[in-house]
Amino acid sequence: AQRVTQPEKLLSVFKGAPVELKCNYSYSGSPELFWYVQYSRQRLQLLLRHISRESIKGFTADLNKGETSFHLKKPFAQEEDSAMYYCALRSGGSEKLVFGKGTKLTVNP
Amino acid sequence: DVKVTQSSRYLVKRTGEKVFLECVQDMDHENMFWYRQDPGLGLRLIYFSYDVKMKEKGDIPEGYSVSREKKERFSLILESASTNQTSMYLCASGGGTQANYGYTFGSGTRLTVV
Repeated sequence: AQRVTQPEKLLSVFKGAPVELKCNYSYSGSPELFWYVQYSRQRLQLLLRHISRESIKGFTADLNKGETSFHLKKPFAQEEDSAMYYCALRSGGSEKLVFGKGTKLTVNP
Repeated sequence: DVKVTQSSRYLVKRTGEKVFLECVQDMDHENMFWYRQDPGLGLRLIYFSYDVKMKEKGDIPEGYSVSREKKERFSLILESASTNQTSMYLCASGGGTQANYGYTFGSGTRLTVV
């Protein structure tokens, strides 16, 4: 069964500090991994997808198949990064997205 | 440039009522999804549709049904609303090569059942 685990419900850091939001997945095949973000009173939106290897708003995420992880990282957090972050997995041959339970990131001034 | 529109932002319904949540997308996507979002539980898939009149159960379909008569519209139906269905409901769409770009979500419908 496909499963996405985000071990931290809440994460609080100070502005300018590095931040890492953890995501582990369970899937035996080749997954597609995504990070979604939901700012206060806004709709859920795509932040990153692993196949593009891009950096968005200073965030990066690397798929580690050995550790089955897709952690989201940013070297210097900003207050505007405060939001709810969801890791999601799409398995090959399926259109379904399976989400983790989310991590609420708070960046303090 | 809103692409996925959910007809209601807030709804209050009584226990036992039949409730319709509507979602429309203008991107010609094959796939549409209904999730519910609850604090501490994340997003859970209720139903999804990969084509007109086609549907599949997600992880928590009990108490819900769906309808997709046209490609652009996907409706979620609560046959007899109960208080444990009080939640935020999110619609999403995506399809084909677009699926590699993730899915586009609506702004959500917050349903309260009293």
